Amino acid sequence: EAQVTQNPRYLITVTGKKLTVTCSQNMNHEYMSWYRQDPGLGLRQIYYSMNVEVTDKGDVPEGYKVSRKEKRNFPLILESPSPNQTSLYFCASSPQWFDEQYFGPGTRLTVT
Amino acid sequence: KNQVEQSPQSLIILEGKNCTLQCNYTVSPFSNLRWYKQDTGRGPVSLTIMTFSENTKSNGRYTATLDADTKQSSLHITASQLSDSASYICVVSVGFNDMRFGAGTRLTVKP
Repeated sequence: EAQVTQNPRYLITVTGKKLTVTCSQNMNHEYMSWYRQDPGLGLRQIYYSMNVEVTDKGDVPEGYKVSRKEKRNFPLILESPSPNQTSLYFCASSPQWFDEQYFGPGTRLTVT
Repeated sequence: KNQVEQSPQSLIILEGKNCTLQCNYTVSPFSNLRWYKQDTGRGPVSLTIMTFSENTKSNGRYTATLDADTKQSSLHITASQLSDSASYICVVSVGFNDMRFGAGTRLTVKP
């Protein structure tokens, strides 16, 4: 089944404890992206990747890192999480940036 | 930066009725305009995607229209069903690093 998977789905952590949210797609898509969604603000892009080893900042990259060593995987790294990073996170992929995006199921992160 | 406005913010309709959701944008030019459906707590799912030269695109009971002159798009839902209850998000793609998301319209369909 063609899909985007994210892990974990739910995570509660403490301020400053490094964490990684994994994202994987099995559709051989070139383009991948991370978003956060907060009430009243809608979806905001954190980072995106046009292809392997090609990543760039979106609208709200502060406090996040990404890597794209393989086409299928695009992990999101929070080196030192803070409470303002409490949010619902979505990974998405598409064949190219202008194609429709396929979203993962989301990761709900709480930083205390 | 957000130049995509959706209206109404929320809408309640009875099952079987039609409804229309609006998306006004100020960005220009743009590559395409997309409508997504998002069930509560789940990832958005693509409904339609239109380039600036397209006027209408349908996906089952969902029909999106685009007027590039007035910079307006609408999503029309025909014969609504309870499963249509969701948020509907309009997204304007300006470039590979510039996607403008609307805040969404929350639709509730009641029996």
